[in-house]
Amino acid sequence: GAVVSQHPSRVICKSGTSVKIECRSLDFQATTMFWYRQFPKQSLMLMATSNEGSKATYEQGVEKDKFLINHASLTLSTLTVTSAHPEDSSFYICSASSGETLTDTQYFGPGTRLTVL
Amino acid sequence: AQKITQTQPGMFVQEKEAVTLDCTYDTSDPSYGLFWYKQPSSGEMIFLIYQGSYDQQNATEGRYSLNFQKARKSANLVISASQLGDSAMYFCAMRERRTGFQKLVFGTGTRLLVSP
Repeated sequence: GAVVSQHPSRVICKSGTSVKIECRSLDFQATTMFWYRQFPKQSLMLMATSNEGSKATYEQGVEKDKFLINHASLTLSTLTVTSAHPEDSSFYICSASSGETLTDTQYFGPGTRLTVL
Repeated sequence: AQKITQTQPGMFVQEKEAVTLDCTYDTSDPSYGLFWYKQPSSGEMIFLIYQGSYDQQNATEGRYSLNFQKARKSANLVISASQLGDSAMYFCAMRERRTGFQKLVFGTGTRLLVSP
C-alpha cells in the first residue's frame, strides 16, 4: 500500500508552546489529507479535512485557531497546535487520499504522540 | 445516532482459529464504502479490506473476508487462521457519497487478543 509518514513520532512540550506536526505522502500525490485525534482506548475523531491549496474544513467543535492546518503541496500537510495545554495531549494521526471516489483508500501515517507538560 | 457500531469491546481467539468481528452501520445514502483497519499497539492504522455498497460479492483479502449483509446493514470482518500478530484493535469505518466520499467515520473498535 501507499506510504504516509509523520514527523515527529513523539513530542513533549511545555504548556503555552506551539508544536508542528508534518504529514507526508511519500509515493503518491494526496489531493486530500485528514487529521484525526485519538484519546487512549478510544476511536479516531476527525478534526479537519484539508485539500491542497485551499483552507481546511474543520469538524464541529474543533478550534480553527488552535489547530492550524496547512496543505501547501500535494505531498505535505502540517498541523500546528498553538499554545498547547495539557488537555491537548493526545495521539494525532494523519491520513492521505489520492482521490475522492468511493474506492480511494485513505492511508494513515504512523501517528504522533503529543504530551504537553 | 451512531453511524458505525461495534458491539464487541474485546474478543479472544486461539491461534489458528477463525474469528468474526461485528460491525453494523447506519446510512440512508445508497452509495457508500465500508472499510476495516487494524491498529497494533504501535498506533499505525493498517488498511485491511474494503467493501462498496454496490459490490455483489463479499470482499476478500488473504485471510480477511468481509461478510457483507446489506439488508441488515452489517459488515462483519472474518479473520481465518488467526495468528499471534493479529492481536490489535480493529476499527470498522464508513464513507458516504453525501460527504463527497471524504469523511471516514469510525466505530469504537474491537480489541482482539490471539492466544497461543
